[in-house]
Amino acid sequence: RKEVEQDPGPFNVPEGATVAFNCTYSNSASQSFFWYRQDCRKEPKLLMSVYSSGNEDGRFTAQLNRASQYISLLIRDSKLSDSATYLCVVTPGRSQGNLIFGKGTKLSVKP
Amino acid sequence: DAGITQSPRHKVTETGTPVTLRCHQTENHRYMYWYRQDPGHGLRLIHYSYGVKDTDKGEVSDGYSVSRSKTEDFLLTLESATSSQTSVYFCAISEVRAQLSGANVLTFGAGSRLTVL
Repeated sequence: RKEVEQDPGPFNVPEGATVAFNCTYSNSASQSFFWYRQDCRKEPKLLMSVYSSGNEDGRFTAQLNRASQYISLLIRDSKLSDSATYLCVVTPGRSQGNLIFGKGTKLSVKP
Repeated sequence: DAGITQSPRHKVTETGTPVTLRCHQTENHRYMYWYRQDPGHGLRLIHYSYGVKDTDKGEVSDGYSVSRSKTEDFLLTLESATSSQTSVYFCAISEVRAQLSGANVLTFGAGSRLTVL
């Protein structure tokens, strides 16, 4: 099992749609969880962190299920500007030595 | 803004030539990283540094060396470039975000696109 696995994209959705991305991780000792956003030919940027209690930021909601080792990202009322690749990121422990990135899920929001 | 600058941003070189990519940061961050990103593989860690002259290998370190003689600069060197090293290289710094329960968060530079012919 790969360390971090994400839904294979691409997701093609119309404006206004709700879309959900999933991510699973293999290391049960993982400490921190994030979603990053990467626009075409740009660097990844932190979108939001993920907690067991859930984390909401406007139209975006992230959720962590430690028992199932599963992370999700929900985007409501999709905008054209949400088109990007979304990366699931897991920190194995408290060490700053390594973060594990998923391969990313590409989202394309159409008019 | 973490003040990360990568240079060069684009480079085309020939197989067998040496290449050095530079990452410069202005905010005295202790941890710095070099990643490469390739289609189908995502971001993979090459090397990282946890202080001046303190470095360690990542997942795909073969063919690469790094140096950190000053806090602000982290250099990635390809001693003899190969076509398999054609990639986009990202430098990153790590910082603890108290507002995120003390989690370590990466901030990336804009990337260096390397083509080895």
